[in-house]
Amino acid sequence: NAGVTQTPKFQVLKTGQSMTLQCAQDMNHNSMYWYRQDPGMGLRLIYYSASEGTTDKGEVPNGYNVSRLNKREFSLRLESAAPSQTSVYFCASSAPRGHTEAFFGQGTRLTVV
Amino acid sequence: QKEVEQNSGPLSVPEGAIASLNCTYSDRGSQSFFWYRQYSGKSPELIMFIYSNGDKEDGRFTAQLNKASQYVSLLIRDSQPSDSATYLCAASTSGTYKYIFGTGTRLKVLA
Repeated sequence: NAGVTQTPKFQVLKTGQSMTLQCAQDMNHNSMYWYRQDPGMGLRLIYYSASEGTTDKGEVPNGYNVSRLNKREFSLRLESAAPSQTSVYFCASSAPRGHTEAFFGQGTRLTVV
Repeated sequence: QKEVEQNSGPLSVPEGAIASLNCTYSDRGSQSFFWYRQYSGKSPELIMFIYSNGDKEDGRFTAQLNKASQYVSLLIRDSQPSDSATYLCAASTSGTYKYIFGTGTRLKVLA
C-alpha cells in the first residue's frame, strides 16, 4: 500500500501564479486534510474534508481552495500564489471512528518568489 | 492562544536518560491525543495515542493523560541519539474530524 501520496514533492512558483497540489490515499479513509508547516508554527490546518462531498475551513484557509474529487483524492489550489504561502504542505487522511490517528503524505515543499 | 501548546525546546538529554515532553490543551471537549515524531525534512509519524486518563506504555514510550489538568505528556526511557527529532502533540474531538497540533518540541539526545 502506498498510503497517502502527494504530488509534486517540490515546486517553485512566481508571485501571482496558480497551482494545484494533489493528494490521494488508498486506505479507504473517509476524512482528508491539508496542513501547512512553517518554522516555529507547527502544523496548521488549512482545510479538511470529513467525508466525500464535504469540505470545511481550518485555521488558515485564506488564499486556498480545495476539492474533494472522490473518496481517494483531495486537492489544494493556490489561485494567486504569494510569498507568505511559502511553506511545506502536508496532506493527511484518517478514518475517524473511535480514536484513530491521521496518516501523512511525504509533503510538498513550495517556494513562492 | 493555541488550542494545543508545547514548549519548543530544544530539550537536550544525555543518551540513556529519560526524556519528558509535555503538552497542554485548552478544549475540554478534546477526547483523543496523539504523539507524532518528525525527523527533519520528513513527514510526521505516529508514536502512540491515548484517550483514557492515566498511563499507556509501548516499549520505551509512555504517554500520560490528565484530563482534569488538560495535560498530556510523553516519556521516552533509555533515550537514544536516533530519538532526536521534533515531537508533535495533537488533539482531536469526536465529531469534529479535526486534528489540532501543537508547535512541537525539538528533542536532542546527546551521545
